[in-house]
Amino acid sequence: RKEVEQDPGPFNVPEGATVAFNCTYSNSASQSFFWYRQDCRKEPKLLMSVYSSGNEDGRFTAQLNRASQYISLLIRDSKLSDSATYLCVVNRPGGSYIPTFGRGTSLIVHP
Amino acid sequence: SAVISQKPSRDICQRGTSLTIQCQVDSQVTMMFWYRQQPGQSLTLIATANQGSEATYESGFVIDKFPISRPNLTFSTLTVSNMSPEDSSIYLCSESTGPGYTFGSGTRLTVV
Repeated sequence: RKEVEQDPGPFNVPEGATVAFNCTYSNSASQSFFWYRQDCRKEPKLLMSVYSSGNEDGRFTAQLNRASQYISLLIRDSKLSDSATYLCVVNRPGGSYIPTFGRGTSLIVHP
Repeated sequence: SAVISQKPSRDICQRGTSLTIQCQVDSQVTMMFWYRQQPGQSLTLIATANQGSEATYESGFVIDKFPISRPNLTFSTLTVSNMSPEDSSIYLCSESTGPGYTFGSGTRLTVV
């Protein structure tokens, strides 16, 4: 089993739709989780950290389910500009701050 | 979070040669990371570079092929040695002062 797994998609949704991505991780001791966004030919950029209690930033909601070892990202009211690849990142346990990246989920928002 | 300047942004190199990629951070950072991202794939960690000690390489990556320098807390280099077409990829550096990780803009390497 890979350390971090994501459905590569693509998810093809109309503007205004709500879309959700999941990411599973294999090491139950992992403590830090993030969602990154990567545009074509660009470097990844932090979208949001994922906290145990769940967190929201505008149209984006991130949640952590430790029992089932997955994190999720929900995007409401999708915009054309949300089209990108969304990378799930899980830090190795032990406080090392060494990240493991999922392969990413591609989102295409169409008019 | 820190800002990282990475160069070169792209290069086309002959097989058998070496290329050194540089990353300059605008503040002092303890840990820097080097990644490779092949087309359609996610980021694969090559090594972790701490100032004053040898880099720690991930499985499948060795110092002879990817020597790394970390002379101070704001700078690091990665060399791709004796290149072959299989080394064609995007190489990225990052740091972890938080939150999360900040990346350089990447080096797109093509080996011919």
